[in-house]
Amino acid sequence: EAGVTQFPSHSVIEKGQTVTLRCDPISGHDNLYWYRRVMGKEIKFLLHFVKESKQDESGMPNNRFLAERTGGTYSTLKVQPAELEDSGVYFCASSQVLPKAVGELFFGEGSRLTVL
Amino acid sequence: GDSVTQMEGPVTLSEEAFLTINCTYTATGYPSLFWYVQYPGEGLQLLLKATKADDKGSNKGFEATYRKETTSFHLEKGSVQVSDSAVYFCALSAGGYQKVTFGTGTKLQVIP
Repeated sequence: EAGVTQFPSHSVIEKGQTVTLRCDPISGHDNLYWYRRVMGKEIKFLLHFVKESKQDESGMPNNRFLAERTGGTYSTLKVQPAELEDSGVYFCASSQVLPKAVGELFFGEGSRLTVL
Repeated sequence: GDSVTQMEGPVTLSEEAFLTINCTYTATGYPSLFWYVQYPGEGLQLLLKATKADDKGSNKGFEATYRKETTSFHLEKGSVQVSDSAVYFCALSAGGYQKVTFGTGTKLQVIP
């Protein structure tokens, strides 16, 4: 079974440019999460989809970030325009909606974003 | 809000040494607690979990006990190996939609 896949693995852009990160969750997982880790700090929650609906987007830092999950499958996270402080590793995770799976998230390898 | 505090790294140990990584948490209610691990070049993966007080999670020789009285979930291993070198994240989940709150991560390096 394929795991969570993220693309690109690393992106280097200049301040003011646009970047789109993609996440393909594990097939059948309704829950999809985006997290971010800024250099050496904690992994911070950005938002949570249940199928195609945004369940919780309280962690999105500002309106330069836009996440979508069309059709409840893959998701994209767009940063426009990018700022220096957006640099970090963006993790995507997915999970099933099962009580016994409480908290067990399956993560991708992350997309490292460097804004110059 | 919910938060997780774990010991600063990096931690460098010799092979076969005893490992402890401290983790304490703040949360309302009774969260589930986790340790995730990120090996070099890989994504995070669940190492172990405990869902109620006094539960002990264990996997690959690692153990952690859910201590409600001290709000702690320290990770231990009796004899580390070079292959255990990774970043370890303590985490909790208190919400019904499985939102997970992470600590800052502790990098472990095991030298032969």
